Amino acid sequence: EVQVLESGGGLVQPGGSLRLSCAASGFTFSSYAMSWVRQAPGKGLEWVSTISGSGADATYADSAKGRFTISRENSKNTLYLQMNSLRGDDTAVYYCAKDQGAWHGYFHWFDPWGQGTLVTVSS
Amino acid sequence: EIVMTQSPATLSVSPGERVTLSCRASQSVSSNLAWHQLKPGQAPRLLIYGASTRATGIPARFSGSGSGTEFTLTISSLQSEDFAVYYCQQYNNWPLTFGGGTEVEIK
Repeated sequence: EVQVLESGGGLVQPGGSLRLSCAASGFTFSSYAMSWVRQAPGKGLEWVSTISGSGADATYADSAKGRFTISRENSKNTLYLQMNSLRGDDTAVYYCAKDQGAWHGYFHWFDPWGQGTLVTVSS
Repeated sequence: EIVMTQSPATLSVSPGERVTLSCRASQSVSSNLAWHQLKPGQAPRLLIYGASTRATGIPARFSGSGSGTEFTLTISSLQSEDFAVYYCQQYNNWPLTFGGGTEVEIK
């Protein structure tokens, strides 16, 4: 069964850092791009970042550029999101999701999604 | 950035009714559109990709249509487990963008 499972969320002060992890199983991890999507309380879904299967390419939402870094460790089937300079509006449930292709082409829809991990930025 | 607009924001429906949800893109996304279902406390679930292809395991009562800028998700006969929030997502251009969601609630 194809699965992804996030971890690493928690309470962090404004200006702080946090690293999220996503453990993947049931598929050839290095063959697929992976993404992070978030949902702030009472809000809709917002795409955050996507990384290619090899890890050589990545792209970010404007809200994440310069503060967040997506990475992956294919030998461990694990995706990461390093979040620095966190702000109150980064408070959200962060979902990890599998894309449907390695990078190029129109394959960036999400299936499956993880259960999400809650990040709360507050003093 | 492609802006996705969903309507209505909320839909009050009785079980067994037919439901039609709309999604409009600010510019053409061809057929590069997906629909996702969100329920509280659960992982989001992919319903439709390619505007009209059902994902694995999705019941036939869910169908998608449209191309370009206008898309529709139809639930032919609403079941109790279908009360949820539905989001469209375009993957034609970076940044990937979602609509604001349509909540389908019990009437």
